[in-house]
Amino acid sequence: AQTVTQSQPEMSVQEAETVTLSCTYDTSESDYYLFWYKQPPSRQMILVIRQEAYKQQNATENRFSVNFQKAAKSFSLKISDSQLGDAAMYFCASPRTHQTGANNLFFGTGTRLTVIP
Amino acid sequence: DAGVTQSPTHLIKTRGQQVTLRCSPKSGHDTVSWYQQALGQGPQFIFQYYEEEERQRGNFPDRFSGHQFPNYSSELNVNALLLGDSALYLCASSLGQADYEQYFGPGTRLTVT
Repeated sequence: AQTVTQSQPEMSVQEAETVTLSCTYDTSESDYYLFWYKQPPSRQMILVIRQEAYKQQNATENRFSVNFQKAAKSFSLKISDSQLGDAAMYFCASPRTHQTGANNLFFGTGTRLTVIP
Repeated sequence: DAGVTQSPTHLIKTRGQQVTLRCSPKSGHDTVSWYQQALGQGPQFIFQYYEEEERQRGNFPDRFSGHQFPNYSSELNVNALLLGDSALYLCASSLGQADYEQYFGPGTRLTVT
């Protein structure tokens, strides 16, 4: 993707509730990948979930799922049953290009998620 | 399974100095990418090393250079440091250049005074 936009600088959610983080992107590619990364205060960037654009089914990883709307170029992350450990910065990302040998990532500006006990 | 490691954790340098940051990739990985993350921003791609050569480069000046060793570890060098180079520097590794899933290290926090 050439651009990745996260329009929510901050979000908060009550513990055990559900929250959705938004991401939009722009690309001229027909096949591509999209990722959500989590960065807790420890600074380590952790892969949360990935979606391959050619797959119609939305990706799911335990409490994390995505709503992938290819036509709208939207890729939101839903966190169910939020836990205190989910508090972190969340980044939406995609490879800068899908040419062979070009897997470096382009990141959005991030959404800071606060979980309220 | 050893993950990506980076050293040092923190570093303070003076404007005009040079700095070297180090990264060891995840076991089995052969490709290393470097990112700069300014405070409050998402990471920005600096460059990528594969087979000991720089294969891709982001929009960073020549003051940023790197190296990859035969054991796949990598160094990031920054010359003539500017205050604006203060950031978290992240290293990520992958298996080959076509592997879109990258694993990140904990980063090195560089402060330039």
